[in-house]
Amino acid sequence: DTAVSQTPKYLVTQMGNDKSIKCEQNLGHDTMYWYKQDSKKFLKIMFSYNNKELIINETVPNRFSPKSPDKAHLNLHINSLELGDSAVYFCASSPILEGGPDEQYFGPGTRLTVT
Amino acid sequence: QKEVEQNSGPLSVPEGAIASLNCTYSDRGSQSFFWYRQYSGKSPELIMSIYSNGDKEDGRFTAQLNKASQYVSLLIRDSQPSDSATYLCAVNSGYSTLTFGKGTMLLVSP
Repeated sequence: DTAVSQTPKYLVTQMGNDKSIKCEQNLGHDTMYWYKQDSKKFLKIMFSYNNKELIINETVPNRFSPKSPDKAHLNLHINSLELGDSAVYFCASSPILEGGPDEQYFGPGTRLTVT
Repeated sequence: QKEVEQNSGPLSVPEGAIASLNCTYSDRGSQSFFWYRQYSGKSPELIMSIYSNGDKEDGRFTAQLNKASQYVSLLIRDSQPSDSATYLCAVNSGYSTLTFGKGTMLLVSP
């Protein structure tokens, strides 16, 4: 069984469009994340989210919005797509154990290409 | 700003040798440290976590942490061509978020 899954795997779209990427985890984790990996392979946190709190990275444009219908799902909605949004987007999850392990497990990624 | 620094490489080692990957971090308050392996076109895969000063061994992998020097390393013994990948160092920077280094590419030649 896939622990963290994402759909779609590839997404090609035009500038100005709105798109969503879906993420689901079956690990029973409390916290989910979105990361962006750019063309230089640099992996950077965008959001972390659990039932209680959304942590927004201040460098993320407000065109990006995470939406979580329940603890096992965290979707990423992107409005008015720009060329610079082209990247691989990874979803990840981790348990919240105060003072305990906080290992994160990644989904397979969604390669977004904006033309 | 919290930073994690890694040599981008590539680090080239012959098969059977020990590969040594290094990482430094800026946030002295960091408590959790991770090594991820990423094959080209794939997602990061967790291979080691370390929380206390000293060494932690798991099979051919050994993670080393020195909080005083703000330094974490990964040793891969008996390197195999299948170990060729980019190795990402990650540090917990609060709110359970990870700050990643830019990764070191490891090439193991047969």
